[in-house]
Amino acid sequence: EPEVTQTPSHQVTQMGQEVILRCVPISNHLYFYWYRQILGQKVEFLVSFYNNEISEKSEIFDDQFSVERPDGSNFTLKIRSTKLEDSAMYFCASSEDQETQYFGPGTRLLVL
Amino acid sequence: GNSVTQMEGPVTLSEEAFLTINCTYTATGYPSLFWYVQYPGEGLQLLLKATKADDKGSNKGFEATYRKETTSFHLEKGSVQVSDSAVYFCALISFQKLVFGTGTRLLVSP
Repeated sequence: EPEVTQTPSHQVTQMGQEVILRCVPISNHLYFYWYRQILGQKVEFLVSFYNNEISEKSEIFDDQFSVERPDGSNFTLKIRSTKLEDSAMYFCASSEDQETQYFGPGTRLLVL
Repeated sequence: GNSVTQMEGPVTLSEEAFLTINCTYTATGYPSLFWYVQYPGEGLQLLLKATKADDKGSNKGFEATYRKETTSFHLEKGSVQVSDSAVYFCALISFQKLVFGTGTRLLVSP
């Protein structure tokens, strides 16, 4: 069964450093998403992406965040200058119908 | 705005017990509703969904019925197993994004 994959599974970084989280969506899906889950809190929407453009973003997704589909398979989330409060589990998801979303296993980011 | 409320956990049951995890929602219109499950150390897996009122979603023995009168989507299973121990998230779709509840941890003991 096709699935969403994410790398790395864990990332530790120093405050102020840039990180790139990578995702490979399900191959025939056209809609892509990033969510995050701070420890003990709800899963929160960050951004949705379609046709090489951001289609919606939350207030969390400020100028330090960016997304890109650099080739035909990868979908990345870049955090330019990490802060302590960016420590969370980041989930990538993809969908073929904008509704039913399939999630990857997540990347646990720890900012020190 | 749209929101989802789930019962607080953990829910602790013995194997073969009946499970109910309550979920209610507030939404404009009638969005599709979902249950996702997160097993220890893993990501979110779609468990079931319902797209309109009175629809029943089902998978792996779990069921949930979309009740617009009570704005609810409670998750049920007739006989839980130890392997069902996980965190269960209720969610609705709103303008392309999923809005999640806080999650309910289920612990099933042998």
